[in-house]
Amino acid sequence: GAGVSQSPSNKVTEKGKDVELRCDPISGHTALYWYRQSLGQGLEFLIYFQGNSAPDKSGLPSDRFSAERTGGSVSTLTIQRTQQEDSAVYLCASSSRTGLIYGYTFGSGTRLTVV
Amino acid sequence: AQTVTQSQPEMSVQEAETVTLSCTYDTSENNYYLFWYKQPPSRQMILVIRQEAYKQQNATENRFSVNFQKAAKSFSLKISDSQLGDTAMYFCAFGNTGKLIFGQGTTLQVKP
Repeated sequence: GAGVSQSPSNKVTEKGKDVELRCDPISGHTALYWYRQSLGQGLEFLIYFQGNSAPDKSGLPSDRFSAERTGGSVSTLTIQRTQQEDSAVYLCASSSRTGLIYGYTFGSGTRLTVV
Repeated sequence: AQTVTQSQPEMSVQEAETVTLSCTYDTSENNYYLFWYKQPPSRQMILVIRQEAYKQQNATENRFSVNFQKAAKSFSLKISDSQLGDTAMYFCAFGNTGKLIFGQGTTLQVKP
């Protein structure tokens, strides 16, 4: 697509439920990144994909968080047994193979609220 | 580990004036890239300007320019002729391989 698409735009879930957040990167972008942004805070790195593999998943905060990418395209971030501290905006970005030179293109994020 | 520090949580400027946002970083790498991103209330992160560390010349994009001091590990953003549409949160970011590391952000308000 023309831009990075994330869905849903907003998600309200009950504590303890599982949620799936979707990211559809720019067509042809091989690298895909997930970040978390708590209210008024900076961006916290979660995981990075190059193709379908994740060379760096060091930012996943707990084993309740997982992510996958299939076909070198769409990625899903799954949070199991959600907690209130998981409430944040989850941002996805993609870049071309040499994209770090040019930075990332970000999606508009998914605002997750755990009640 | 690399870190990025933005020491100004909030700033304000009058429309048409100039403002400078500060950013420092820590790294032992010699080759890397630095970026400024803008995040308006719409949440969309927008790339404002980028700098390659091996280039001594400061990057400029229209009203936006940087002061890159490699030895001091400083990368400030200057916005000239500030406009109301510049109101946003601004993030400084560092990258050399793989992921970008972001600062905590500076909220800039442009006042009419």
